[in-house]
Amino acid sequence: RKEVEQDPGPFNVPEGATVAFNCTYSNSASQSFFWYRQDCRKEPKLLMSVYSSGNEDGRFTAQLNRASQYISLLIRDSKLSDSATYLCVVLLNTGFQKLVFGTGTRLLVSP
Amino acid sequence: ETGVTQSPTHLIKTRGQQVTLRCSSQSGHNTVSWYQQALGQGPQFIFQYYREEENGRGNFPPRFSGLQFPNYSSELNVNALELDDSALYLCASSHSGAITGELFFGEGSRLTVL
Repeated sequence: RKEVEQDPGPFNVPEGATVAFNCTYSNSASQSFFWYRQDCRKEPKLLMSVYSSGNEDGRFTAQLNRASQYISLLIRDSKLSDSATYLCVVLLNTGFQKLVFGTGTRLLVSP
Repeated sequence: ETGVTQSPTHLIKTRGQQVTLRCSSQSGHNTVSWYQQALGQGPQFIFQYYREEENGRGNFPPRFSGLQFPNYSSELNVNALELDDSALYLCASSHSGAITGELFFGEGSRLTVL
């Protein structure tokens, strides 16, 4: 079983739509959680951290459910520029700290 | 721009050859992590270097090796290349041995093995 699992998509949505991505993780010792964004043929970049209380950054809302080991990302009012791959990431400490990435979910926003 | 630079950006090798990829970390960052990203996959952790020592390794065979230099730059070496080694190799830097969650990635080295 993969440590971090995501639906690879693609999710095709029109501009202005609301879209939600989900992610599950298998290691209950996961310490911290993040969403990264990766544009085509570019490097991943941190989008936002994810907290148990839920957090919002503009049109983006992230949620964490530790009991279910489930993470979500909600994007409201989608823009063409939101088209990218969204990577679910967990921080593990197995004697040293490392980030574990999911496969990524591809989002395509069309006019 | 993150300040992490990688070279070369693209290269083509044949099976059995050896390759060295290079990474200069962001100023002030003393930890370097290397990731392999195959097409359609997320980045997979190879290993991490802190103060010139390997302090963590993922599920990669010994033919994947690395170095970190006193200026915190790093190399990834892959021996006896296989077709499945074709991927984007990403270097990321961070400060101290504790990773907070934000890794600053370089643009990567895209390796094709024929």
